[in-house]
Amino acid sequence: EPEVTQTPSHQVTQMGQEVILRCVPISNHLYFYWYRQILGQKVEFLVSFYNNEISEKSEIFDDQFSVERPDGSNFTLKIRSTKLEDSAMYFCARGLDVYSYNEQFFGPGTRLTVL
Amino acid sequence: GENVEQHPSTLSVQEGDSAVIKCTYSDSASNYFPWYKQELGKRPQLIIDIRSNVGEKKDQRIAVTLNKTAKHFSLHITETQPEDSAVYFCAATFTGGGNKLTFGTGTQLKVEL
Repeated sequence: EPEVTQTPSHQVTQMGQEVILRCVPISNHLYFYWYRQILGQKVEFLVSFYNNEISEKSEIFDDQFSVERPDGSNFTLKIRSTKLEDSAMYFCARGLDVYSYNEQFFGPGTRLTVL
Repeated sequence: GENVEQHPSTLSVQEGDSAVIKCTYSDSASNYFPWYKQELGKRPQLIIDIRSNVGEKKDQRIAVTLNKTAKHFSLHITETQPEDSAVYFCAATFTGGGNKLTFGTGTQLKVEL
């Protein structure tokens, strides 16, 4: 059973287009994270989200990226104007619970292909 | 910022042998060190972790050791099986700093029959 579900599983878009990736937690957790993994490379941190606010972001997470929790449940990552180098797997992860926020469990990921 | 180095990049062992993967970290404030297993096309799966107040942790055939002084930690897999074949990533984080995980570059483990 996945810790979170992610949609879509695969997204193909044209360079310059906006994409929205979605993460749906199974239950009501406070800690969420977005990571990306370029094919064949290591996993890279993008942003952490605690109690509906960004708690930390990496240098990758520039003005083209944003995160939201629009309905208090779904957790979205938006890329405003995609670039070829944004092609990667994007993983949403959640903390185990409010008392054990270290452990992070990854969703199945969204494969983003920018043409 | 934090940097995590991981060695070796590839490791091939015979079924039944042991496998050891090593990581070093740069930030002495790091206090949580998880290991993830990633099969081809799948998500990283947390297999074991260790906190800085513990020197060793074991879970069946896998164990992790931590040397805080030297700032390195290792994953040990005993009695390897073909299903252990995957890419293994170490990571490090400092709790209280957003808990972002900094990952190593991964080790491709191949267990041969």
